[in-house]
Amino acid sequence: QKEVEQDPGPLSVPEGAIVSLNCTYSNSAFQYFMWYRQYSRKGPELLMYTYSSGNKEDGRFTAQVDKSSKYISLFIRDSQPSDSATYLCAMSVYNFNKFYFGSGTKLNVKP
Amino acid sequence: GAVVSQHPSRVICKSGTSVKIECRSLDFQATTMFWYRQFPKQSLMLMATSNEGSKATYEQGVEKDKFLINHASLTLSTLTVTSAHPEDSSFYICSAPVPGLGTDTQYFGPGTRLTVL
Repeated sequence: QKEVEQDPGPLSVPEGAIVSLNCTYSNSAFQYFMWYRQYSRKGPELLMYTYSSGNKEDGRFTAQVDKSSKYISLFIRDSQPSDSATYLCAMSVYNFNKFYFGSGTKLNVKP
Repeated sequence: GAVVSQHPSRVICKSGTSVKIECRSLDFQATTMFWYRQFPKQSLMLMATSNEGSKATYEQGVEKDKFLINHASLTLSTLTVTSAHPEDSSFYICSAPVPGLGTDTQYFGPGTRLTVL
């Protein structure tokens, strides 16, 4: 079993839709949870990070962490064609260097 | 915000040659940097942790003698792929911890695409 599971997609939605991206994990020691956006042939760009459980909102993006279910989500409101990219979830144990990445979900927002 | 740069962005080389990739933190100091490799349509795989002033820490299965890492200063780490072969062709990405937050979140460089002919 992988440490982090993420549906690779592709996920195709119309412009303006609400997008839900999810990851599950198996290691209950994970404390930090991140979402990165990666455009084709570019490095990942940090979107959101959260510590432990709860919600965090930043503009059109909302990150949710449910540690009891070992499940994290990223919601994108009013999706735009420019949001089309691969979204990677990542998590780590506090004070540990190693990041565990999901395989990434490819999102396509159609105009 | 914090920025990490990489150079070159793309390199094509012949089999058997060595290739050096630079990773720089542009407006902050990084005592630790990380090197990842990403194959097409796959996620990032951590290769090694680069430590300023000491030896790099390699992940299991990564050849130390093939992937030489040098953390020359608080803003520069280099990855040298020695005697490159076609199977080394990949997207190499470095990252550095976000200032003030330890190593729990990282900023990534734009990546270097290596093609070995």
